[in-house]
Amino acid sequence: GNSVTQMEGPVTLSEEAFLTINCTYTATGYPSLFWYVQYPGEGLQLLLKATKADDKGSNKGFEATYRKETTSFHLEKGSVQVSDSAVYFCALDNQAGTALIFGKGTTLSVSS
Amino acid sequence: KAGVTQTPRYLIKTRGQQVTLSCSPISGHRSVSWYQQTPGQGLQFLFEYFSETQRNKGNFPGRFSGRQFSNSRSEMNVSTLELGDSALYLCASSFGPGQGNTGELFFGEGSRLTVL
Repeated sequence: GNSVTQMEGPVTLSEEAFLTINCTYTATGYPSLFWYVQYPGEGLQLLLKATKADDKGSNKGFEATYRKETTSFHLEKGSVQVSDSAVYFCALDNQAGTALIFGKGTTLSVSS
Repeated sequence: KAGVTQTPRYLIKTRGQQVTLSCSPISGHRSVSWYQQTPGQGLQFLFEYFSETQRNKGNFPGRFSGRQFSNSRSEMNVSTLELGDSALYLCASSFGPGQGNTGELFFGEGSRLTVL
């Protein structure tokens, strides 16, 4: 079945460092891919998405490119801030409805 | 506009009891999905409702059930609670399939259930 695998955390970085969080997926067909972020004490919110191969999603300085050949959707940011500290979830749609399948999440901690 | 509202935010139950959680979606959204979030298993899909009908169901035992009302509000129920049911239960809403759906889910802040 469809699944998402994310790199294990936590990821600890200094402010202004480069961030990469790896995400790979297994799916039949052509799912849409998403990154969601969960700040402490809050629900998840959509960070960015891509709906077809080679699409690049971007938001708040974060980027991810839908790579069908490597079944990947890695999240990157050139210069992280303390306010980026959160849990990041990679997800894909199951194409049978509007439910999403999530990875286990990667905790990012940024220190000043 | 108002976001997804979940009640109660926190609750404590004992083993064997049952619990009902409520979710009010964003106005105009007709699809509601439920997820269980735990440190060990991450986010696991429970079920999805659209127009009062369950469209998808995750791999959870029959103790977990849900329903959706005509105003799109949803409830989920867990009967005969077990210690392992302690989790954050998240509700998410969207327009639903073929309704201008962009694939984005809008999440509430969750209901944190502790089973003692």
